[in-house]
Amino acid sequence: ETGVTQTPRHLVMGMTNKKSLKCEQHLGHNAMYWYKQSAKKPLELMFVYSLEERVENNSVPSRFSPECPNSSHLFLHLHTLQPEDSALYLCASSQDLGLASYEQYFGPGTRLTVT
Amino acid sequence: GQNIDQPTEMTATEGAIVQINCTYQTSGFNGLFWYQQHAGEAPTFLSYNVLDGLEEKGRFSSFLSRSKGYSYLLLKELQMKDSASYLCAVLDSNYQLIWGAGTKLIIKP
Repeated sequence: ETGVTQTPRHLVMGMTNKKSLKCEQHLGHNAMYWYKQSAKKPLELMFVYSLEERVENNSVPSRFSPECPNSSHLFLHLHTLQPEDSALYLCASSQDLGLASYEQYFGPGTRLTVT
Repeated sequence: GQNIDQPTEMTATEGAIVQINCTYQTSGFNGLFWYQQHAGEAPTFLSYNVLDGLEEKGRFSSFLSRSKGYSYLLLKELQMKDSASYLCAVLDSNYQLIWGAGTKLIIKP
């Protein structure tokens, strides 16, 4: 049991839609992450939150908007996406940032297809 | 720039041994990690090396040479369930994980 859940598991949306991805961790961790995983490419770190505050935003387009209402929940709000945004979106958590960030626990991901 | 290189795909036979290599060039080094990811599933942590040498954990071992910027993951007595992607990642000086693209390992009977 991974301890990190993500919903939905699959999502198909048009370029004009607005949708949200949800992540929840049951591990008591303080840091949470959003990653994008495209085929045959390295995991791309999108956002990092520590104690509900954003600490990293790796030049992600504004059509992706994260929200962290508490240390257990993380959302990724999507609007006016492009077909190239189709990918697997992974959520992860770790005890803290810094050295404690290395053992990250991942959710199963949301497979997003933009049509 | 920062870079992690690992082979895209490897094939091995059930019961055999396979070595998956990873080379890295990063700004600083605070450890190297291997994760396993089965198709359609979450990556799961396998190993962590911060000092040179070999770390053994059951059928899996991980080796690190910091001077060469090199690591490998060794899988022994391969089983069909070992078919997965293996991700190499380095924790850089800013404590960010830099990821490789992953090696897809195919096990044949």
